[in-house]
Amino acid sequence: QVHLVQSGAEVKKPGASVKVSCKASGYTFTTYRMHWVRQAPGQGLEWMGWLNTGNGNTKYSQKFQGRVSISGDTSASTAYLELSSLRSEDTALYYCAKDSPPTFYFKYWGQGTLVTVSS
Amino acid sequence: QSVLTQPPSVSGAPGQRVTISCTGSSSNIGAGYDVHWYQQLPGTAPKLLIYGNNNRPSGVPDRFSGSKSGTSASLAITGLQAEDEADYYCQSYDSSLSGSRVFGGGTKLTVL
Repeated sequence: QVHLVQSGAEVKKPGASVKVSCKASGYTFTTYRMHWVRQAPGQGLEWMGWLNTGNGNTKYSQKFQGRVSISGDTSASTAYLELSSLRSEDTALYYCAKDSPPTFYFKYWGQGTLVTVSS
Repeated sequence: QSVLTQPPSVSGAPGQRVTISCTGSSSNIGAGYDVHWYQQLPGTAPKLLIYGNNNRPSGVPDRFSGSKSGTSASLAITGLQAEDEADYYCQSYDSSLSGSRVFGGGTKLTVL
């Protein structure tokens, strides 16, 4: 049974950074890429990037390039999303999602982590 | 502005059939990449509804079906039920944004 369990809600001030974790279980962590998707209040889903959990390679959406870092700890089967220089528009639910090759869909999602950016 | 375009809202009465469109371009749907659909109920994470254009994961009723043609795809829901009221998103892969996944803007389905 695949499970993705994310860390709890965060409140940050503008300009700060946040790091969200996603602990995977029920499968071999290093076999599948882990993605991060965010959803601002009342808005749609927005893909942020992925982590190749096997070799640590990453790919980011151009929108977040320079502000986002996705990493992983294979010994803990955990992926991390770090977003810096936070602004109010970054207030959103952040989801991790396990890749499903070869057709690139997301069957398994974390429960979401609410990040609130407010002064 | 989402890479994939969906209507903001659709509605239908119980028992009716509704369709939700998803329009892309030659670098995603038109390039032959699969389209997937998700259902999101209020306050919950998205749930995979259709994968690989027209395949249902175990547990998804056969009232839900998907299709794809050219640069577009569609989700059809027959025998509409009150519990189908949710947001629906299409998703694909885009070759112009190497390695990127792209979503539609989402469609709110209202069951009248």
